[in-house]
Amino acid sequence: GDSVTQMEGPVTLSEEAFLTINCTYTATGYPSLFWYVQYPGEGLQLLLKATKADDKGSNKGFEATYRKETTSFHLEKGSVQVSDSAVYFCAPSGQGGKLIFGQGTELSVKP
Amino acid sequence: SQTIHQWPATLVQPVGSPLSLECTVEGTSNPNLYWYRQAAGRGLQLLFYSVGIGQISSEVPQNLSASRPQDRQFILSSKKLLLSDSGFYLCAWRTSGAGYEQYFGPGTRLTVT
Repeated sequence: GDSVTQMEGPVTLSEEAFLTINCTYTATGYPSLFWYVQYPGEGLQLLLKATKADDKGSNKGFEATYRKETTSFHLEKGSVQVSDSAVYFCAPSGQGGKLIFGQGTELSVKP
Repeated sequence: SQTIHQWPATLVQPVGSPLSLECTVEGTSNPNLYWYRQAAGRGLQLLFYSVGIGQISSEVPQNLSASRPQDRQFILSSKKLLLSDSGFYLCAWRTSGAGYEQYFGPGTRLTVT
C-alpha cells in the first residue's frame, strides 16, 4: 500500500546551518507531494508542494524537488533560523485524494 | 479567503463521558472534510473523511463517529470516551475536484482522565 518514510528525528542544528530532511514514498500512480510544518500546539501548515516530476516546490527558503526515479521529495534549506524549529511532515497523495503522512521529523535549531 | 475553525481548543473529559468536537469551514463550498488524530510524539492518523453532506467514510474502527449535518460543518463524536482517545484532533478540508492539498484547523487537545 501507499506509504512514506521520513528520516528519524529529532534533528538538532545550529542557526545558519544547512538542513536536509529525507523523504521517500511508495504510492500508486502519480502522486502529488507535499511538505507540512507543525509548530508546537498548532495545526499543520502547508509549506510547499510539487505535482509532477522534476517540479521544485519552494516557500520561506525551503525547497524540495519531485524525484520520480528515486520516489523522493527531500526538504532542504540553506540557512535555518531558530524560528524554523518545528515538526515537518512529508505527505504524498494517495488513493481517493487522501494524504499519506509520515511520522514527522522534529527540527530543533539552537542559537 | 477560506478559514477553518475548531472548538473547543482544549478539553478534559472523564472516561466514559460523551464527546462532541466541531469543525466549520468558511469561504468555500462542498469541501472534502477530514478528521485526524495525532497521539503525542506521533504522526497523523486519518479517522474519517466526507465528500458531502451525510457522506462519511471511516478509516479506523473505534468508538468514535463523525457526522456532516451541513455542507461546511463536520462533527466528531463519542458516546463513551476511553483513555486511549486522548490526543490532538485535527480537522482539515480540501477543494473537491481540485488539487490534493489539505488545509488544517488549529486542533483540539483532548485529555481523557
